[in-house]
Amino acid sequence: NAGVTQTPKFRILKIGQSMTLQCAQDMNHNYMYWYRQDPGMGLKLIYYSVGAGITDKGEVPNGYNVSRSTTEDFPLRLELAAPSQTSVYFCASSYWRTGGFDEQYFGPGTRLTVT
Amino acid sequence: KQEVTQIPAALSVPEGENLVLNCSFTDSAIYNLQWFRQDPGKGLTSLLLIQSSQREQTSGRLNASLDKSSGRSTLYIAASQPGDSATYLCAVPEGGSEKLVFGKGTKLTVNP
Repeated sequence: NAGVTQTPKFRILKIGQSMTLQCAQDMNHNYMYWYRQDPGMGLKLIYYSVGAGITDKGEVPNGYNVSRSTTEDFPLRLELAAPSQTSVYFCASSYWRTGGFDEQYFGPGTRLTVT
Repeated sequence: KQEVTQIPAALSVPEGENLVLNCSFTDSAIYNLQWFRQDPGKGLTSLLLIQSSQREQTSGRLNASLDKSSGRSTLYIAASQPGDSATYLCAVPEGGSEKLVFGKGTKLTVNP
């Protein structure tokens, strides 16, 4: 099992450029999440998905878009990158069962710098 | 709105010591609580998941307790080792939702 994988590991973008962060999981989890982590600020939820074709905003969705066409993949799109989007991005997944959620599993992260 | 606080923000101990990390949350209507470990430059690794019906969960030298009514959880690490050095985060769901709210973590350093 690969678990949750993310690509790329590192990326430098110029202001105004766009890119897609890739995330995939092979655990057949129905829920997937995107977080950003900034020093001293903790993890903030950007977007999440409860299943293929269904996505919803988290706490900090501005400047990002997502799609979920399959159970396995949940890409995060950055349009018109800004320096405020410099951060470490984590993808996670979990499984809903009767009575609640199992653990959330995290990918290794993508470190993004916008200059 | 759920808020999660972790105290202390940083902790440095000598190898072999037993230690306790604290997590408090404002909304006690949770169905579980999760403890994670994060090594520098890495993702989060799940350590323990405690369901709301449980009071404790153990994994090796780690023991996590949950007191929903007081909005508190503790992570007990026995016989600490330098390899335990990392940041430890706790997370609880926002209301009854699928969204987790994270504390800012406790950075643990275990000195040989």
